[in-house]
Amino acid sequence: GESVGLHLPTLSVQEGDNSIINCAYSNSASDYFIWYKQESGKGPQFIIDIRSNMDKRQGQRVTVLLNKTVKHLSLQIAATQPGDSAVYFCAENMMGSNYKLTFGKGTLLTVNP
Amino acid sequence: DTAVSQTPKYLVTQMGNDKSIKCEQNLGHDTMYWYKQDSKKFLKIMFSYNNKELIINETVPNRFSPKSPDKAHLNLHINSLELGDSAVYFCASSQGGRGNEQFFGPGTRLTVL
Repeated sequence: GESVGLHLPTLSVQEGDNSIINCAYSNSASDYFIWYKQESGKGPQFIIDIRSNMDKRQGQRVTVLLNKTVKHLSLQIAATQPGDSAVYFCAENMMGSNYKLTFGKGTLLTVNP
Repeated sequence: DTAVSQTPKYLVTQMGNDKSIKCEQNLGHDTMYWYKQDSKKFLKIMFSYNNKELIINETVPNRFSPKSPDKAHLNLHINSLELGDSAVYFCASSQGGRGNEQFFGPGTRLTVL
């Protein structure tokens, strides 16, 4: 069954604010996590990934934090822009499953100008 | 240049019909996937092929039959369409598995009447 979920289905922020999107996972065997962004009418697009031997990884305006103790993953977007409005998914890859990604439910981020 | 393309983008058909969705990737990847996204945006893997061999076959009705004529193509044929098959179907590709980004196509919105 599904082992990845999100705390908040929707998030609304003002342009320029920082956004934090959360994700909980229940499978302790997962060791690789990815965040995807899906804009309306398009396919998911890779944002950033993190392996379980790391706690934090930074990209351009995005940071992913992994807390293995509480099985929690978050995506932080700095200086959120209208173009960041989309549905964000976390996905997990279990150890021993090289190809299968299990996606969470998704969070709709709306950026208000 | 389109990386992962799908045809058709929209497909409206009657219950009981048989239909196919085609996918092509020009990234030179060796692995391709089919995902189903329901009306609640939940994204779930259906099938995966690596070098034309089936490596993931989730609990999908056998009315769904994937076919990979070569590494660049993965088609999905659906027999005896049902109302519950209405969804957006995404094709994706990657080079290898774990740790390698999956690139998604634009999706095919299937509506069964």
